[in-house]
Amino acid sequence: NAGVMQNPRHLVRRRGQEARLRCSPMKGHSHVYWYRQLPEEGLKFMVYLQKENIIDESGMPKERFSAEFPKEGPSILRIQQVVRGDSAAYFCASSPPTFPGTTIRNTQYFGPGTRLTVL
Amino acid sequence: KQEVTQIPAALSVPEGENLVLNCSFTDSAIYNLQWFRQDPGKGLTSLLLIQSSQREQTSGRLNASLDKSSGRSTLYIAASQPGDSATYLCAAHTSGGSYIPTFGRGTSLIVHP
Repeated sequence: NAGVMQNPRHLVRRRGQEARLRCSPMKGHSHVYWYRQLPEEGLKFMVYLQKENIIDESGMPKERFSAEFPKEGPSILRIQQVVRGDSAAYFCASSPPTFPGTTIRNTQYFGPGTRLTVL
Repeated sequence: KQEVTQIPAALSVPEGENLVLNCSFTDSAIYNLQWFRQDPGKGLTSLLLIQSSQREQTSGRLNASLDKSSGRSTLYIAASQPGDSATYLCAAHTSGGSYIPTFGRGTSLIVHP
């Protein structure tokens, strides 16, 4: 069972370009989370998605950032008109579905990350 | 708002020492607390997950404890090895239905031979 996959692993963009980061969750996982790790800072939550739904986007910047998790295919984190401050490591995590009536919160499995550099 | 602090920020020790990494959180209403390891340029690997009803979890040379009342968790590493060198992150999942953990900034550990 392959782990969480992210691609590309490294992405270089010039200011003003678009960045698309992809995340394929572990098989059977229906929850996807995106985090950003800025240099010298902790991991910050950005967005939590289930298939075709954004559950919590409280950590997403209001402009230029968007995320989706379509019915088929990977989850995409999209950054439009990138700026130098967007340079960071972006991590995706996935977890299995929870079941109605339970309060079990599943651990999240992290991907290797995409390191975005904006020139 | 939950805040998670990890002390020390960096630690360098000789091989064989027993270590304690500290994690404190401001909101004791947590659902669980998780310890991760992050190697340079790589993702996070989950080490131990402690549910709020538990006091500790053990895996091999690792032992994590949780004291909700004092807002603290510790990760104990026995007989440290150079291969333990990494950054260790703790994350608190706050109660109330949120799946979103709050991470500390991590403790960067170097174990030298």
